[in-house]
Amino acid sequence: DAGITQSPRHKVTETGTPVTLRCHQTENHRYMYWYRQDPGHGLRLIHYSYGVKDTDKGEVSDGYSVSRSKTEDFLLTLESATSSQTSVYFCAISESRRGSYEQYFGPGTRLTVT
Amino acid sequence: DAKTTQPPSMDCAEGRAANLPCNHSTISGNEYVYWYRQIHSQGPQYIIHGLKNNETNEMASLIITEDRKSSTLILPHATLRDTAVYYCIVRVVYGGTSYGKLTFGQGTILTVHP
Repeated sequence: DAGITQSPRHKVTETGTPVTLRCHQTENHRYMYWYRQDPGHGLRLIHYSYGVKDTDKGEVSDGYSVSRSKTEDFLLTLESATSSQTSVYFCAISESRRGSYEQYFGPGTRLTVT
Repeated sequence: DAKTTQPPSMDCAEGRAANLPCNHSTISGNEYVYWYRQIHSQGPQYIIHGLKNNETNEMASLIITEDRKSSTLILPHATLRDTAVYYCIVRVVYGGTSYGKLTFGQGTILTVHP
């Protein structure tokens, strides 16, 4: 257990509404990531953070924004949710140990956009 | 990061060793081999990683061929709880700005039978 929690764990929302998912860690890890997982696509990186206020885009960042104002929290925001963003969202953390980045994942958030 | 090729599915009898192969023929000298698994509905779980030497931990063993173009993850005594999707990932560890990002493929679905 790497001390990662995600909230909410399940959410149903309507198209066009804003949604924010929260990832919280308790072990002061520098790197944090947001992935989405869809059938047939596996896990795909949305955004990642390499420090407070330091974030960058992953391979499927369109329609998403992130913020990291403190080490322990990494927020993922869907500004205007669409049905294509129905997915399971996983947060992960890692720390560089002699160049090795072992990632540890949270339990996931299941988001349904109707 | 180098691409990997894994069989889409494998079966194993409970109590027997599960040997999961991965081909990474284009791996570079500064890329590690990582293995993760994902049990249904849970976040991916880190298993093991290695550069060129064989590695063993409490979960599994990793055998990397001398030319590093392929590897095998070994679960020595598979149990029903080892039924999962297993992902083989190669990625640069030193240098660049990879920040520990992972690219997941489709993985191998391992089913352990009683």
